[in-house]
Amino acid sequence: QKEVEQNSGPLSVPEGAIASLNCTYSDRVSQSFFWYRQYSGKSPELIMSIYSNGDKEDGRFTAQLNKASQYVSLLIRDSQPSDSATYLCAVKEGNNRLAFGKGNQVVVIP
Amino acid sequence: EPEVTQTPSHQVTQMGQEVILRCVPISNHLYFYWYRQILGQKVEFLVSFYNNEISEKSEIFDDQFSVERPDGSNFTLKIRSTKLEDSAMYFCATRDPLGDTFGSGTRLTVV
Repeated sequence: QKEVEQNSGPLSVPEGAIASLNCTYSDRVSQSFFWYRQYSGKSPELIMSIYSNGDKEDGRFTAQLNKASQYVSLLIRDSQPSDSATYLCAVKEGNNRLAFGKGNQVVVIP
Repeated sequence: EPEVTQTPSHQVTQMGQEVILRCVPISNHLYFYWYRQILGQKVEFLVSFYNNEISEKSEIFDDQFSVERPDGSNFTLKIRSTKLEDSAMYFCATRDPLGDTFGSGTRLTVV
């Protein structure tokens, strides 16, 4: 069964610090990768997509993809209290469905 | 706020009852999905819908579930005879070139 793994527990970071989130996936043919943010009780909100190896920056967010290692990460620079949420890694599979990881909770401490 | 609208936002139903969850997708999008998220668990794919027919479904999407686009705009998910384990958040999503856009969700509680 194809899996998307986000194994680290809740992440607490001080305001202004960098939060680093990791995700691995098992489907070698996957080509599209996404990070979603989900506030408690709300729907997933797309924050980053990445399709090519390397880094992609968008504001305070940087996504990193390494297809050889089947690894995708997200960095949040200058973390703000409003960044406190669960971050979901998602991989597009099959007929364009998304497979999600369990998510990583980030708590930014003022 | 998401541009994909779902109604109702919360529904409580008795076990064995039928429920219909509604979604109004982004108007020019053609590819739609339903996902669910049981409390504390992963977001799980249920079904994808394109050109007025199912294009893929997961093993969760059994005979109790159905989808349709009755009037060319609304997109519905029907659960014929709800079970306690159907309690979850249900999200509609549409395909976007930048990444799929999720609706606001319906919290279904089966009692």
